[in-house]
Amino acid sequence: LAKTTQPISMDSYEGQEVNITCSHNNIATNDYITWYQQFPSQGPRFIIQGYKTKVTNEVASLFIPADRKSSTLSLPRVSLSDTAVYYCLVGRSYNTDKLIFGTGTRLQVFP
Amino acid sequence: NAGVTQTPKFQVLKTGQSMTLQCAQDMNHNSMYWYRQDPGMGLRLIYYSASEGTTDKGEVPNGYNVSRLNKREFSLRLESAAPSQTSVYFCASSLAGVVQIAGELFFGEGSRLTVL
Repeated sequence: LAKTTQPISMDSYEGQEVNITCSHNNIATNDYITWYQQFPSQGPRFIIQGYKTKVTNEVASLFIPADRKSSTLSLPRVSLSDTAVYYCLVGRSYNTDKLIFGTGTRLQVFP
Repeated sequence: NAGVTQTPKFQVLKTGQSMTLQCAQDMNHNSMYWYRQDPGMGLRLIYYSASEGTTDKGEVPNGYNVSRLNKREFSLRLESAAPSQTSVYFCASSLAGVVQIAGELFFGEGSRLTVL
């Protein structure tokens, strides 16, 4: 299983771009990278998923270098409502057994 | 669409009591999971079920049992509750197993359990 490492916390201000990096040195060939967002007292919510290079959706971008040993979640122009914990998850494409979450990154956005 | 529904949302138990947390999903997902989250911590996998009829241990299975009753329902049982099991429990489901999509989990709202 690919273990993930993320910064414990990050601070930002409204309107800034935030980049959260996740390290997954032993990622396997068939592993995808998925990011989740969790607000207090709620279950995590899927943000974005990718395998290589760059993926973008309406809320975030995911950058994955060629060696895939790390990934970066980019949140453009954050707002106060982006204050949450962000988790990076690595799992195989054909079998989602033992999906293990890391400790996550607590993002605090200030006005 | 209800998604993933967990019951109860809150429960207080005394040490040694037993209880079952219920989880149901209406998305026709194959895989289901139970996680626990302690205050200020990340999620830890208790048990999972990759498909109907199968269950497997996760990171922290001791003190728990599970039943995959059918494709929709996955229950978590505490046979003899202990204070160390005070936590918020999340059930999740995933479509993976049929199509090649990994890691897109849909979570319930959580069940907050306190063991005195």
